[in-house]
Amino acid sequence: EAEVAQSPRYKITEKSQAVAFWCDPISGHATLYWYRQILGQGPELLVQFQDESVVDDSQLPKDRFSAERLKGVDSTLKIQPAELGDSAMYLCASSLQLNTEAFFGQGTRLTVV
Amino acid sequence: AQRVTQPEKLLSVFKGAPVELKCNYSYSGSPELFWYVQYSRQRLQLLLRHISRESIKGFTADLNKGETSFHLKKPFAQEEDSAMYYCALTRGDDKIIFGKGTRLHILP
Repeated sequence: EAEVAQSPRYKITEKSQAVAFWCDPISGHATLYWYRQILGQGPELLVQFQDESVVDDSQLPKDRFSAERLKGVDSTLKIQPAELGDSAMYLCASSLQLNTEAFFGQGTRLTVV
Repeated sequence: AQRVTQPEKLLSVFKGAPVELKCNYSYSGSPELFWYVQYSRQRLQLLLRHISRESIKGFTADLNKGETSFHLKKPFAQEEDSAMYYCALTRGDDKIIFGKGTRLHILP
């Protein structure tokens, strides 16, 4: 069964360092999402792609976060510089079309020390 | 602004008892509503969506536009229902918004 792949599963980084996460969506899924989930809360959308175009990045802290999906397939989310408050689970999800069922990856747990 | 509220952080229910996980939303149009579930050590996955009107694993949810609610129900809880449940909403061309989640704990 096809799944959304994310790497790494865990990442520990020092504050002010750069960190990057990678996501490979299910083949054929045009829509890709990056969510941040802080412990005890629900997923919060950071950025949403339709193919290679950004559909919504209104909640992305653009001074330090960037996301790209250059060929409309896999995607990278970068944080530079990382801050202590960035510690969270970063989830990637994909769907066939905008806002149909989203399939989630296992997530990357980031700890900033 | 769109918002999803799940008033209970934790719900403990005895095995065999009925379950109701509450979800209220605020949205002026016609939203599409979902319930997602995350079992221990597994990824977040869709449980059901209101437009399909299905019963999945014995769970049902009815959209009540008058009360702006989409409560998740099951008549008889099973131990394997223990998980984190998230209510979510979207309108067709907009982002999916999640509630903070309710942890369901089924007591033996």
